[in-house]
Amino acid sequence: AQKVTQAQTEISVVEKEDVTLDCVYETRDTTYYLFWYKQPPSGELVFLIRRNSFDEQNEISGRYSWNFQKSTSSFNFTITASQVVDSAVYFCALRDQAGTALIFGKGTTLSVSS
Amino acid sequence: SQTIHQWPATLVQPVGSPLSLECTVEGTSNPNLYWYRQAAGRGLQLLFYSVGIGQISSEVPQNLSASRPQDRQFILSSKKLLLSDSGFYLCAWSVAGHWNTEAFFGQGTRLTVV
Repeated sequence: AQKVTQAQTEISVVEKEDVTLDCVYETRDTTYYLFWYKQPPSGELVFLIRRNSFDEQNEISGRYSWNFQKSTSSFNFTITASQVVDSAVYFCALRDQAGTALIFGKGTTLSVSS
Repeated sequence: SQTIHQWPATLVQPVGSPLSLECTVEGTSNPNLYWYRQAAGRGLQLLFYSVGIGQISSEVPQNLSASRPQDRQFILSSKKLLLSDSGFYLCAWSVAGHWNTEAFFGQGTRLTVV
């Protein structure tokens, strides 16, 4: 069965701190995709990144970086030099070939104070 | 470009009243469509998905139903709302025939049942 676990319910940091959001997933498939979404206070989910199970290269996009490790079934998200605008709920999601839709974790609420 | 519209943005309904939430997608054909519900502390729960007109799959048995009367229209309904139906409802779409693509979300409807 598919499952996504985001053990961190809430994280609070001060501006300019680095912060890592953890994501652990479970799937029986060898082919699957992982996603991260951001949900700002407005409520709309904003797609951030998609990663397939065959590509374990880390990815960096500006202040965002993602660390995918199949050995530990983790897909962690790091924000470098956090800013107040990064305050949001962040969701990790999984979809494999057996799935009908994205399966989401419960989300991590990030609060960045100035 | 593709856009997704969802309305209303907020809704307060008494227990036992009916519900109709509407979602439309523009700029794409035959999308996969989804309804998710976000309850406090419970992440995003997939309620329904549709791969075509009149084709609806339910993920969780409940007091709600969905319909797809047109290719790019997805409706979430209830005949009699329960208090437990309160939550944030999100409609989403993804490209048909590609199980590995991300989903794009509407702005959501915040439903409060009183």
